[in-house]
Amino acid sequence: EVQLVQSGGGLVPPGGSLRLSCTASGFTFRTYSMNWVRQAPGKGLEWLSYIGSTTNFKYYADSVKGRFTISRDNAKSSLFLQMNSLTDDDTAVYYCARGSDVTVGARPSEYWGQGTLVIVSS
Amino acid sequence: EIVMTQSPATLSVSPGERATLSCRASQSISSNLGWFHQKPGQAPRLLIYGASTRATGIPARFSGSGSGTEFTLTISSLQSEDFAVYYCQQYHNWPYTFGQGTNLEIK
Repeated sequence: EVQLVQSGGGLVPPGGSLRLSCTASGFTFRTYSMNWVRQAPGKGLEWLSYIGSTTNFKYYADSVKGRFTISRDNAKSSLFLQMNSLTDDDTAVYYCARGSDVTVGARPSEYWGQGTLVIVSS
Repeated sequence: EIVMTQSPATLSVSPGERATLSCRASQSISSNLGWFHQKPGQAPRLLIYGASTRATGIPARFSGSGSGTEFTLTISSLQSEDFAVYYCQQYHNWPYTFGQGTNLEIK
């Protein structure tokens, strides 16, 4: 069974930093790209970042470029999102989501983590 | 950035009836479109990818069509569990943008 278990959310003051984690199981993590998506309270989905299976390719939404860093540890089947210089606008539920296998073309995410709430507030 | 526009914002339909949701891309995305639905407090669930291919375990009452810039999701006979917010997402170009969502509610 594919599972993505997230951790690392919480309350952080404006200007602060937070690191989100996503631990995968039930599939060969190292062959899949991964994404982060967020959802502000009462709002729609916003794609944030992508990392290829081998970390060679990383993409970011303009809203987080230069502040957030996506990374992965294939040996530990783990995905990370380092978030710096946080503002009120970053308050949201953050989801990790599995991308596509390296052997197939791009696909939208079929498997998602449970989501973790990040609140940026003083 | 490719802008995805969904319509209508809210759709009221009775159980057992058909629902048709639309998604328009600001430029051609070929068939690189997915549809999700999301219930309160839950993660999104993938329904359709490649504009028309049902994801694993998705019932046949869900069907997708379109290519280029115009796409449609049709739910042929609404069940109680189908009332949710629906999102389209393009994965043709970075960033992989979502539409703003259609709230499918019980009439």
